[in-house]
Amino acid sequence: GQQVMQIPQYQHVQEGEDFTTYCNSSTTLSNIQWYKQRPGGHPVFLIQLVKSGEVKKQKRLTFQFGEAKKNSSLHITATQTTDVGTYFCAGLTNAGKSTFGDGTTLTVKP
Amino acid sequence: NAGVTQTPKFQVLKTGQSMTLQCAQDMNHEYMSWYRQDPGMGLRLIHYSVGAGITDQGEVPNGYNVSRSTTEDFPLRLLSAAPSQTSVYFCASSYEGYYGYTFGSGTRLTVV
Repeated sequence: GQQVMQIPQYQHVQEGEDFTTYCNSSTTLSNIQWYKQRPGGHPVFLIQLVKSGEVKKQKRLTFQFGEAKKNSSLHITATQTTDVGTYFCAGLTNAGKSTFGDGTTLTVKP
Repeated sequence: NAGVTQTPKFQVLKTGQSMTLQCAQDMNHEYMSWYRQDPGMGLRLIHYSVGAGITDQGEVPNGYNVSRSTTEDFPLRLLSAAPSQTSVYFCASSYEGYYGYTFGSGTRLTVV
């Protein structure tokens, strides 16, 4: 079945440093979604990428979708303590059945 | 407030007991799903539904049943609880399943 791998599993950074998490799918995706889950909270939808090579930005967050639509990345510039949490990617091949990666947990030292 | 409502927020069960986790959404979303999240792991799909009257299994369906009699409600039933079902359960909904999912706040279930 479809597999979505996410690396790294954990990332510890000093406040102000950059952070990147990578997502790789075993199959071609129709779209990819990114979510953020704060400690003790529930996943919150951040963004969706659909087109090959697509790049989207939300303030300090930059999301990319690979040309082959099998990989994606989330980059945070100049991390802040409010960025703490687990970031998940979710790959969609068939509507209604997303496969989530295991997430990257980000901790930020002030 | 519009969104996905899950009840209860916390539950402790004894091995062998049965119970139903409730999920309701008021956004008229056709797609609804149940996930479980274990410590340090991602979200694993239990069951999902593409509309009222239609359900299908996800990757970890054993020990769980679902039904979808209305667009709004998608309850998850644990038939005979086992300690391996101790987890956090999230319900989520999406417009047509193609767009971002809205998650409920979760049910933290402990089976002793």
